[in-house]
Amino acid sequence: EDQVTQSPEALRLQEGESSSLNCSYTVSGLRGLFWYRQDPGKGPEFLFTLYSAGEEKEKERLKATLTKKESFLHITAPKPEDSATYLCAVQRGRDDKIIFGKGTRLHILP
Amino acid sequence: DTGVSQDPRHKITKRGQNVTFRCDPISEHNRLYWYRQTLGQGPEFLTYFQNEAQLEKSRLLSDRFSAERPKGSFSTLEIQRTEQGDSAMYLCASSWTEAFFGQGTRLTVV
Repeated sequence: EDQVTQSPEALRLQEGESSSLNCSYTVSGLRGLFWYRQDPGKGPEFLFTLYSAGEEKEKERLKATLTKKESFLHITAPKPEDSATYLCAVQRGRDDKIIFGKGTRLHILP
Repeated sequence: DTGVSQDPRHKITKRGQNVTFRCDPISEHNRLYWYRQTLGQGPEFLTYFQNEAQLEKSRLLSDRFSAERPKGSFSTLEIQRTEQGDSAMYLCASSWTEAFFGQGTRLTVV
């Protein structure tokens, strides 16, 4: 069964303390892996798409990487405004269905 | 603004009433997805369309839920005989490659 598992469920960091969020997946034919940011009461905001193992994407303090079984979202020197829920999703190759994980709630303390 | 638009943003309804939500996708996107999200959870897949064809409906959905996408443009999601367990955020996304989300419709069933 296609599945996306994110860990940890929640993470509290001090401002400037770098860390990584994990997304492990099983899917029958990966078309793409997406990362989103979601603020309370709002829709998810697109961050990155990764298509193949070894690929990396960067945006400001965020860097996403992909292997054949998992993806990492690295956060370097985070700021309080990076506090949000980060969602990982996979798009299945045979029919483009998109399946989400439960997310990681990130809280950056000033 | 050419993003995904959802209407209404908030809906309060009495148990047993029918409700309908609308989603206007980004105009050139051929795929449209509906998700449901409850507090602390990731988006749960409901159904999706490629143009006007509905490709899959979640087995978790009862027959009270129906969705349409006439002419491959906007989409509607109807919930008949609402129950308190239907209270959630209903999210719509459209895609050509990456999926972009609207701000959601928050449903409260009282």
